[in-house]
Formats: sequence, structure tokens, C-alpha cells
Amino acid sequence: SYELTQPPSVSVSPGQTGTITCSADKLGDRYASWYQQKPGQSPVLVIYQDSKRPSGIPERFSGSNSGNTATLAISGTQALDEADYFCQTWDSSTVVFGGGTKLTVL
Amino acid sequence: QLQLQGSGPGLVKPSETLSLTCTVSGASIRSSGYYWGWIRQPPGKGLEWIGNIYSSGDTYLNPSLKSRITISVDTSKNQFSLKLRSVTAADTAVYYCTRHAGIYSSSWYPDYWGQGTLVTVSS
Repeated sequence: SYELTQPPSVSVSPGQTGTITCSADKLGDRYASWYQQKPGQSPVLVIYQDSKRPSGIPERFSGSNSGNTATLAISGTQALDEADYFCQTWDSSTVVFGGGTKLTVL
Repeated sequence: QLQLQGSGPGLVKPSETLSLTCTVSGASIRSSGYYWGWIRQPPGKGLEWIGNIYSSGDTYLNPSLKSRITISVDTSKNQFSLKLRSVTAADTAVYYCTRHAGIYSSSWYPDYWGQGTLVTVSS
């Protein structure tokens, strides 16, 4: 089965750019999506098809996907961006999620 | 505004069947180009996809759960449902009903999520 690997945690200072990676074999050949989940809330789609932002998602969220790695970048990180982030892709008609990364804004 | 509302028992006994229903409002479940599905999240853990269904009844299921799950759709009620048989404590989780977009571009992704239903498996 296809597996997505994320770092368990990432720290970033307020105002800086935080980056979260998602790795898998030839991930760049597929589309990746990203979800933000705050405690006690449902996940929210922040990036789809590698780099597209849904309506209502701030421009500071951006995504890229090449080779074996998809990346979510949050520029000008704010305290309210502190959350768990999950990457996701599609493989052989199955939906696959990464294990999640806790983003801490210090 | 699309909304998904999951409902069902919050407590299920081991070896019994977990049954959940998701009611869709603000859009027709017959809308072309969208699958409807279930995703679960054990307490403190990550997300696990359970399966998807199209309005025609066409389903895709997680291979690791396939033998125990049934997903069905009732277009007249704008609802879809999940049944998970022979549950154990490992099935304790928040269960989310979701809409999946991107099916025409080989990029299925859940773009709308319900509020989540916590189901505990315990005697």
C-alpha cells in the first residue's frame, strides 16, 4: 500500500515561514492535498491539487509537489495557524493520508 | 452552503454493528462529479479513509476494512450510510462524513467534512 510520511512536529516563529513536508515514492506524479485540523474541530481543506487554495483560505498558505515530496508552506505564520496538518493523495482508487504534523508557533 | 450532518449511536458493544447516517443539505447527493464518503480518526491519532460511494451506488472501500463495511446511498433522502460489522475497541473513533471532489482529474480529495460523530466501542 502507498504510504505518506510527515514529520511529527514542526516549530516556527511568528511572522516566519513554516514548511511541512510529505514524502512518498514518486509523489510528484500524483496530486496532493493538505488539511488543517484544530483541536476538537473537523479538518479543513487548505490546499488541493498540489497548489490550489479553496475559497476563503488565506494567500499565506501555498503548496508544491515535485519528485518524492509535497510541501505546504505558511508564510507570515500567525498564532492561529497552530494546528495539526495532514497531507493526502489518491492511489489505486483509495484515499491515503499522511500521519500528520503538529505545527507549533513559538 | 453545503452541510453534512452525521448521526448515529455514540456507544456500540464489541462484536456488534456500528451504523451511521450522513444527511446532506445545501446540495443534491446526485450532483455530478462528487463521491460521498467516510473517514475516521481514533482519539489522538491520524485520519483513516473508510470508503466512498457515488449516487449510482458505485463504491470504493479501504482494503483493510472491506470485509466488514457496507456503504449505501439513499438519494430520495439525500443521505448515505455506513455499517461496520464486528466492531472492537480499535474501532473507537470520531467518524466524519465527507464529500470528495476531483474525481475527473484523478485527484480525489475530501473538500467538505461533517462535524464528526464520536463512536465508542465498549461493553
